[in-house]
Formats: sequence, C-alpha cells, structure tokens
Amino acid sequence: DAGVIQSPRHEVTEMGQEVTLRCKPISGHDYLFWYRQTMMRGLELLIYFNNNVPIDDSGMPEDRFSAKMPNASFSTLKIQPSEPRDSAVYFCASSPFRGSTYEQYFGPGTRLTVT
Amino acid sequence: TQLLEQSPQFLSIQEGENLTVYCNSSSVFSSLQWYRQEPGEGPVLLVTVVTGGEVKKLKRLTFQFGDARKDSSLHITAAQPGDTGLYLCAGPAAGTYKYIFGTGTRLKVLA
Repeated sequence: DAGVIQSPRHEVTEMGQEVTLRCKPISGHDYLFWYRQTMMRGLELLIYFNNNVPIDDSGMPEDRFSAKMPNASFSTLKIQPSEPRDSAVYFCASSPFRGSTYEQYFGPGTRLTVT
Repeated sequence: TQLLEQSPQFLSIQEGENLTVYCNSSSVFSSLQWYRQEPGEGPVLLVTVVTGGEVKKLKRLTFQFGDARKDSSLHITAAQPGDTGLYLCAGPAAGTYKYIFGTGTRLKVLA
C-alpha cells in the first residue's frame, strides 16, 4: 500500500496568495484528518471527515481556511489569503475505525512557508 | 480543556542507556496512543492503550497506562540511535473522536 500521499511536499508563497494542499488517503479508510504542526503549538487538529462528510471543523483557525473532501480518495485544504503566521507543516492522516479508537496513518506532510 | 503534558521536553542519552518519558493529564482519557515522529516525516503510531493499568511491550519499548487513565509512560531499554525522534502521546477529547496531542519529548540517542 502506498500510504497517505500529500502534495506538494514543500510550498513557498507570498502573503495574500491562495494555497491549496492535497491529500490522498489510504483506500478503505473511513476517516480523514488535517493537522497543523508548529514548534510553538505542537500538533493541532484542524478538521476531520467521516465518509467524506466534515464532522468537526472547530480547529480551523479562521475563515481563511477551508477543507473539502469531494470523494473517498481526495481531500484539499485551502488557505485564502495566506499570511506569514500560516507557515507550518500540514499533515493529512487517514484512519479506519477500530471500535472505540482510531489508528491514524499520517502522510509525510506539506511544509508551507508564507513570506 | 484537556491537555497532555509530556516530560522531559528534551532528552539526550548514550546508546545502551535506559529511559522513561511521561505523558500526564488532569483529565481521564478513554485511551492513549504513542507516536514516534522522525525529521521530515509524519508521526507513526506505536501503540494504543485502553485499559487502566495496561502494559504493552513492543520489542525494547514498554508502554503503561495509569490506573486512573490520566497518565502514561514509555520506557525504552538499551536505547539505540534508531530510537531518535519526537515521541508524542495522544488521546481523544472527552466524548469526541478529536485527538489531542501532547507537547512531545524530543529524544536523541548518541552512538
């Protein structure tokens, strides 16, 4: 299995530009999660989906952030307009549901730098 | 707000030494997980503990869930350079499936 695939691996953009991060989860996984990791705040959950439906987006920092999952094999996280404080590593993870717990499989991340 | 505090924050040891890292909360968790993250990669799940007092072993790694399900520990025996990485504990926020991650312990094992 290829694992969770994220693209691009690195993104450098100027403040005010739109940024789109992409994720392909592991086939058969019901849940998809978007996280952001920074040195200051650690790993934070932004939003998660179950069967392509957004369940909880309370972690999305503000309206500039949006996420979609049009089908079971693709999700996007969009930032418009981007700001320097959005610089971070963004991870996508997918998980099957194992009764009462998840087993999250993380992608390699997208390192975003906003100048 | 449920928090997971990990200690120590940084740890640098020689190959062959033993070590223990801790994950503590003032809240009860239904389960806790441990992940290891290497530079430039995403976290990798090591173990899930679900029962108070549970002990799980993964080769040289021993994981324990506290009796009250508020804390967990990870003990590594005879550490190797390949154990180097960021160790994260995580658990679901009460009544949800939203996972909270701990502050992390950054381990470096010197050859």
